[in-house]
Amino acid sequence: DGGITQSPKYLFRKEGQNVTLSCEQNLNHDAMYWYRQDPGQGLRLIYYSQIVNDFQKGDIAEGYSVSREKKESFPLTVTSAQKNPTAFYLCASSIEGRGTYNEQFFGPGTRLTVL
Amino acid sequence: KQEVTQIPAALSVPEGENLVLNCSFTDSAIYNLQWFRQDPGKGLTSLLLIQSSQREQTSGRLNASLDKSSGRSTLYIAASQPGDSATYLCAVSYSGGSNYKLTFGKGTLLTVNP
Repeated sequence: DGGITQSPKYLFRKEGQNVTLSCEQNLNHDAMYWYRQDPGQGLRLIYYSQIVNDFQKGDIAEGYSVSREKKESFPLTVTSAQKNPTAFYLCASSIEGRGTYNEQFFGPGTRLTVL
Repeated sequence: KQEVTQIPAALSVPEGENLVLNCSFTDSAIYNLQWFRQDPGKGLTSLLLIQSSQREQTSGRLNASLDKSSGRSTLYIAASQPGDSATYLCAVSYSGGSNYKLTFGKGTLLTVNP
């Protein structure tokens, strides 16, 4: 059963803590993405990775870090430098290459709340 | 600045009605346009993707059109059902080096009443 999984579904963080959100895909997709969704706003791109061991900052990368050691996995760390981390975080993936038009598929999301 | 606007922000219709959701974008040099559905507290489900060279795509009761010259896309839902109630999001990627990046609208919250 192919798809994108995110864990945990809910995450609570105390101020000053780093937390890591997991994203795994078994679709054999090359590219993976992290978005943040806030009420009343559109999704905003945090980081993306088009290939293993390479990633690029999106529009709101400050206070976040990522790694891409395996094709299937793209974990996101929310650091203490992120001043307003409470949000819904969505991971996505897509096939790269000519003719694919980079259709993106999304995971179920992780809701992060800062206590 | 590349922006995507969705109007209306919310729409309530009786069951069985045909309806149209609107999406407008500021830059006509698009790579593709995707329509998504999002249920409360859930991730996004891809409904339709329209390539820049296409004018429309159809899937079941859904039909999406693209008019690059006017910067508009519409999502037509035929014979609406209560199960269609959700937020519908439009997202655009642009040609050039950044065609991976989706710019999202804020969505239209659709309620279909039985």
